[in-house]
Amino acid sequence: DVKVTQSSRYLVKRTGEKVFLECVQDMDHENMFWYRQDPGLGLRLIYFSYDVKMKEKGDIPEGYSVSREKKERFSLILESASTNQTSMYLCASRPVYNEQFFGPGTRLTVL
Amino acid sequence: AQSVSQHNHHVILSEAASLELGCNYSYGGTVNLFWYVQYPGQHLQLLLKYFSGDPLVKGIKGFEAEFIKSKFSFNLRKPSVQWSDTAEYFCAVTPMDSNYQLIWGAGTKLIIKP
Repeated sequence: DVKVTQSSRYLVKRTGEKVFLECVQDMDHENMFWYRQDPGLGLRLIYFSYDVKMKEKGDIPEGYSVSREKKERFSLILESASTNQTSMYLCASRPVYNEQFFGPGTRLTVL
Repeated sequence: AQSVSQHNHHVILSEAASLELGCNYSYGGTVNLFWYVQYPGQHLQLLLKYFSGDPLVKGIKGFEAEFIKSKFSFNLRKPSVQWSDTAEYFCAVTPMDSNYQLIWGAGTKLIIKP
C-alpha cells in the first residue's frame, strides 16, 4: 500500500511565525503536491514538484514556498503565517500520469 | 480557463435511495477523470478513475461512473446508498497536455439518513 504521511495532524501557530509542514511518501513517486482544502472551495493547488529539486507554482502560491531535496520528502513552508492561512493542508504523491495518493492532512490554525 | 463543475454542493438521501452526482468539465482535449471520496475524519481516497476504454467504469463500494465525451460529463452513480456512504465526493480531471495538474471540483457533501 502506498503511504503518504504528514508530520502533524493538528497545528496551532501564531501570526508571523514560520511554519514547516512535512510530507513523506514511501513509493518512489516522481510527483508530489501540496493543496489546501477549504469548505466550498474544494482543493486548491499551492505547489507541486515533478522531481527532486524541481517545483512549480500552483494556483495559490502566494505566502508559501516549498522544498524537495529528496524524492520521498516534500516540505511546505509558510514564511510568515497569517490568519487567512488557517486551513486543512493536504499532501499527495503519484507516479506520472496516474492517480494521486493523499496523506491524512494537517489542520493548521493561525491565531 | 479549465474548470470542473459539481452541480450539487449538498445532497441528502435516505438509505436505499439511488444516487447520481454530476460532474462536468470544460476542456476539449483528452482527459483522465477521477472521483475521490473523503469520509469524515479520513484522508481522500480514490473511488474510481477513467483513462480510456469502456466509458462505464466501476469503482469501490458499488460506485460507478459514466464518461460521456459529447457532454463533457463524468457522473457518479450508485443504485442503493448506505449510511456509510456519508462523505464528501470530489470530481477531478487531468487534461492530458497538463502533465501534472489535477483540476478539482468544489466537492459534494452527501448525507445519508438512516
